[in-house]
Amino acid sequence: GENVEQHPSTLSVQEGDSAVIKCTYSDSASNYFPWYKQELGKRPQLIIDIRSNVGEKKDQRIAVTLNKTAKHFSLHITETQPEDSAVYFCAATPTGTASKLTFGTGTRLQVTL
Amino acid sequence: DAGITQSPRHKVTETGTPVTLRCHQTENHRYMYWYRQDPGHGLRLIHYSYGVKDTDKGEVSDGYSVSRSKTEDFLLTLESATSSQTSVYFCAISESKGLAGGQETQYFGPGTRLLVL
Repeated sequence: GENVEQHPSTLSVQEGDSAVIKCTYSDSASNYFPWYKQELGKRPQLIIDIRSNVGEKKDQRIAVTLNKTAKHFSLHITETQPEDSAVYFCAATPTGTASKLTFGTGTRLQVTL
Repeated sequence: DAGITQSPRHKVTETGTPVTLRCHQTENHRYMYWYRQDPGHGLRLIHYSYGVKDTDKGEVSDGYSVSRSKTEDFLLTLESATSSQTSVYFCAISESKGLAGGQETQYFGPGTRLLVL
């Protein structure tokens, strides 16, 4: 089955700096890669996703890049703000009928003033 | 929040007792999923459903069963709860979009915090 590794497990940046979180996956059949943000005590919320037919996708201050050859994808947050502080999870799945997401173990991002 | 509710939101139970968690959606989506979330493990898929009465196992299905008798409800049952099943349980849904694809996008419910003593 799929295995997703996520690094780093914790990340502290100053407000206004950029943050990068990296994930690798093992199953070459995976072609859908979402990122979720989870605030303390809340549900995971989808913030951005990418499919294997594109290499990069942006949405305002967040972007995701995908390298299918190397089997890794990354989340980039620019101009970080205190409200970006949360746990971020990457995930991967082949597309098809039901999607069975395999998640990374999460990155706790702390944005300090 | 995608019309998903979970009940109960919190539960404390004793080892050996049966527990049923309910996920209810108002979106009429085809696919429903149960995950558990534990520190250091992220979210792990327990079971999923691709239609009424159609279910299958996920990564960590041992000790759990599911049922889906209606499109809107997906039940997760712990037949005999153990302390290792203390966790936060999340339900998720995704939409069938036929040939257009996109059914892989999942939206999560608010979660159920379960403590097994």
